[in-house]
Amino acid sequence: KAGVTQTPRYLIKTRGQQVTLSCSPISGHRSVSWYQQTPGQGLQFLFEYFSETQRNKGNFPGRFSGRQFSNSRSEMNVSTLELGDSALYLCASSERWDEQYFGPGTRLTVT
Amino acid sequence: DAKTTQPTSMDCAEGRAANLPCNHSTISGNEYVYWYRQIHSQGPQYIIHGLKNNETNEMASLIITEDRKSSTLILPHATLRDTAVYYCIVRGYTNAGKSTFGDGTTLTVKP
Repeated sequence: KAGVTQTPRYLIKTRGQQVTLSCSPISGHRSVSWYQQTPGQGLQFLFEYFSETQRNKGNFPGRFSGRQFSNSRSEMNVSTLELGDSALYLCASSERWDEQYFGPGTRLTVT
Repeated sequence: DAKTTQPTSMDCAEGRAANLPCNHSTISGNEYVYWYRQIHSQGPQYIIHGLKNNETNEMASLIITEDRKSSTLILPHATLRDTAVYYCIVRGYTNAGKSTFGDGTTLTVKP
C-alpha cells in the first residue's frame, strides 16, 4: 500500500495570509490526525477526523481548522498566519484505533 | 492519556543492543504503550506497541513490566541508521487518533 502523502512538502507564506494543507491517508484508513512540530513545543496534537467527523481536538486557537472528505482525504487550514505558525505539519492515518502512520510532513515558513 | 518519562539522551555502540526505558506509572488498564521514532525531521515511524505482554516484530522488542508502570524498547543490533529520537506514548482506544508526544529519547548509535 502507498503510504501517507502530504502536499505541498514546502510552503512559504506571509503573515496574515491563510494556508491549506492536504493529506491523503493510507488506503482503507478512516482516521486522520494532524500534528504541529516546532523546536520549542515539540510534537503537538491539533485534531483528528474519523469518517468525516472531528473526534478529538487539541489546544489550538480557532485559526486552525480541518475537515475530512468522504474518501478520507483531509485538509487543514490556518487563517491569519502568524510567525509562530512556522512549523512542520504532520498528518497521520490509522485504520481504527491502532497504530498511526505518519506522512513526511509539510514544512511551513511564515515570513 | 497517561504521562510518560524518558531519558533525554542515550548512546549505544553499533552492533550492540539498545535498551530504551520509559516510565508510565499512571497508565490505566485499557491504555496501550506505543513506540515511535523520528529521524531528522521526517515523519515519526511506528515501531511497536503492546498492552501487557511482551511483543516482538522485525524492528524491535517491547518489554512491559508486570505492573505495567514501565517498559523497555529493545533494538537488538543497533546500526547507525537507528540514530533518532524515540518516543514512548501511552494511549487508550478512546483517544485513538490523539497521541501525546513528550520530548523523547535521542539515541545516538556510535561506530
